[in-house]
Amino acid sequence: DQQVKQNSPSLSVQEGRISILNCDYTNSMFDYFLWYKKYPAEGPTFLISISSIKDKNEDGRFTVFLNKSAKHLSLHIVPSQPGDSAVYFCAASSYSGGSNYKLTFGKGTLLTVNP
Amino acid sequence: NAGVMQNPRHLVRRRGQEARLRCSPVKGHSHVYWYRQLPEEGLKFMVYLQKENIIDESGMPKERFSAEFPKEGPSILRIQQVVRGDSAAYFCASSSGNTDTQYFGPGTRLTVL
Repeated sequence: DQQVKQNSPSLSVQEGRISILNCDYTNSMFDYFLWYKKYPAEGPTFLISISSIKDKNEDGRFTVFLNKSAKHLSLHIVPSQPGDSAVYFCAASSYSGGSNYKLTFGKGTLLTVNP
Repeated sequence: NAGVMQNPRHLVRRRGQEARLRCSPVKGHSHVYWYRQLPEEGLKFMVYLQKENIIDESGMPKERFSAEFPKEGPSILRIQQVVRGDSAAYFCASSSGNTDTQYFGPGTRLTVL
């Protein structure tokens, strides 16, 4: 039962271009969404989050968009840099359901940024 | 400013042995979470603990797995009588409150022979 889906296992982009990573969810109780970045042999590192009361959140080169009706979110990285090469995990939780601490993760997308 | 520390980083056990995984949260954090990542999968929630209390263990297998976060010392995830299917990366995270960002440790990679 995959409640958070990242359908693209990998993505390759050129340095300086935009990277768009996608995520879909099925659980209507999810109201808080996060993106984590993970390098090999390290733990996930928090990148950016968005609450369901918003449809966009921006932090520097990273922007997350949320489309609640489509149960879809995306992470945009502009401009992409070689150091952005990592696995990106989408995660979701439910504040309204009282289990906001319980993060449900997708399987991840491996982003490769080519110089 | 030490982050979440986990040890050992790699652990090899034979079937039937016990595995003990340790997690020291960020200094000042009193909320600890354990997640498991099987090969080719995302991280899956196992358990949420505060000092001396298990708050939510809904993601823990019913048998052989236990977790604790004592008043003093690190949080421990214990797996008794390990089987090959327990081979995975186990990540610990901590936060200052249960609505706050979770910071992850580097993980312990358990291999069961």
